[in-house]
Amino acid sequence: DTEVTQTPKHLVMGMTNKKSLKCEQHMGHRAMYWYKQKAKKPPELMFVYSYEKLSINESVPSRFSPECPNSSLLNLHLHALQPEDSALYLCASSQPTSNNEQFFGPGTRLTVL
Amino acid sequence: AQSVTQLDSHVSVSEGTPVLLRCNYSSSYSPSLFWYVQHPNKGLQLLLKYTSAATLVKGINGFEAEFKKSETSFHLTKPSAHMSDAAEYFCVVTPTYKYIFGTGTRLKVLA
Repeated sequence: DTEVTQTPKHLVMGMTNKKSLKCEQHMGHRAMYWYKQKAKKPPELMFVYSYEKLSINESVPSRFSPECPNSSLLNLHLHALQPEDSALYLCASSQPTSNNEQFFGPGTRLTVL
Repeated sequence: AQSVTQLDSHVSVSEGTPVLLRCNYSSSYSPSLFWYVQHPNKGLQLLLKYTSAATLVKGINGFEAEFKKSETSFHLTKPSAHMSDAAEYFCVVTPTYKYIFGTGTRLKVLA
């Protein structure tokens, strides 16, 4: 199984809502990533988990809260978002060593009203 | 510091003609390089990767890329474009497991 799955595919939320994005992989990868992608731009790294521990936080606002409950699952909890947070949120996984390719999920299209 | 530059933001080709998407990198040591494709509202799919083995790398869907250290380039080519190749293409360099993306090249294929 070489697939990364993400749910939901689409999410619309108000600025006062709390919601979560979910990502799952069963490739035995021990590094997992969250990216944010705005239209016509490359993905921007948000967080990296390595062996279920947060290893990189790219100065992301605290209204985004990542969680890695186990080696297969990655969540992104959202609270009090702003309209400018509307974007495609991509999850990826890889082995946590150099030179290994990242496998990307299809993304969650988030709209903040 | 490592960086990657995609020299064309848009490329248009006719169906059945060759494709060339250009990528130059900057690295203080031998890098790992990747090409990804992204169709509209989809995730990124790996086309091919270079990790210091053969300099000519073959990927999926007929794409290939050649690593040229003297030119610090890793250009993506395909002999004959297909309509389904229309997408955004990203060149990536990675010093560790953190990716550095190019700004992307939008490929348009004309019928």
